[in-house]
Amino acid sequence: DAMVIQNPRYQVTQFGKPVTLSCSQTLNHNVMYWYQQKSSQAPKLLFHYYDKDFNNEADTPDNFQSRRPNTSFCFLDIRSPGLGDAAMYLCATSREQGTNEKLFFGSGTQLSVL
Amino acid sequence: GEDVEQSLFLSVREGDSSVINCTYTDSSSTYLYWYKQEPGAGLQLLTYIFSNMDMKQDQRLTVLLNKKDKHLSLRIADTQTGDSAIYFCAEDWNYGQNFVFGPGTRLSVLP
Repeated sequence: DAMVIQNPRYQVTQFGKPVTLSCSQTLNHNVMYWYQQKSSQAPKLLFHYYDKDFNNEADTPDNFQSRRPNTSFCFLDIRSPGLGDAAMYLCATSREQGTNEKLFFGSGTQLSVL
Repeated sequence: GEDVEQSLFLSVREGDSSVINCTYTDSSSTYLYWYKQEPGAGLQLLTYIFSNMDMKQDQRLTVLLNKKDKHLSLRIADTQTGDSAIYFCAEDWNYGQNFVFGPGTRLSVLP
C-alpha cells in the first residue's frame, strides 16, 4: 500500500548528540512536511519541502535542519538536541500545495532526550 | 496569528453520540478538517468540509459548519470504544499554503 513511513518508531538520544529521523513516501507527493508534537499539544509545523524548495517556519530553531535528497525521502536533523526537543515528530505529505490538498501522515517517531 | 480552539476532553458512554466542537479564526479558510490520532500513532484524516457547505454526513460522522460564528463540530453516532482517540480540528489558510491544527480533544468512551 502507498504510504508514509517513518523510522525509527522510537529514538533515544543523549543531550547534545546529533540525531537524524527518517521519512519515506510511496505516494509520489510533491510536498513533504515535518511537524513537532509535544504531549497534549497540536502538531507544530517546523518546515516543508515543495519538491526541492525548502520552506522554513519563522520560529523553527536553527538546531533543526532538513534534507530531501529525492522525491521519496526526507530527513530531519537535530544538531544538538536539548531536553525540550523531546517530542513526537510527524512526517506528512501532500500531493500539491493549495486548497483541499489533504495531509497524509506517517506514524511518527517518538524522540527521547536523556 | 491564526488560532483554532477545542475543548481538551470529552467522555461519553458506549452507544451514545459524541459531539466535538471547534472554533477557528481565519475567515479565508477554504476547507476544514477533522483528524483522528490513536495512541502512539500519526494523524489520520477522518473527514473534511468545504467552507460553503453547512453540513456533511459520512456514515456515523456528521460535520456541521457555522461559518458566521466560525464554529465547526464533529458528531459521532453510536460511539464505540474504538473511537477513543484524540480528535484534531484543522483549517487551511492562506489559500491552502498552511494548515493550523487545534490542540485536540481527547475522547474517552466508557463501557
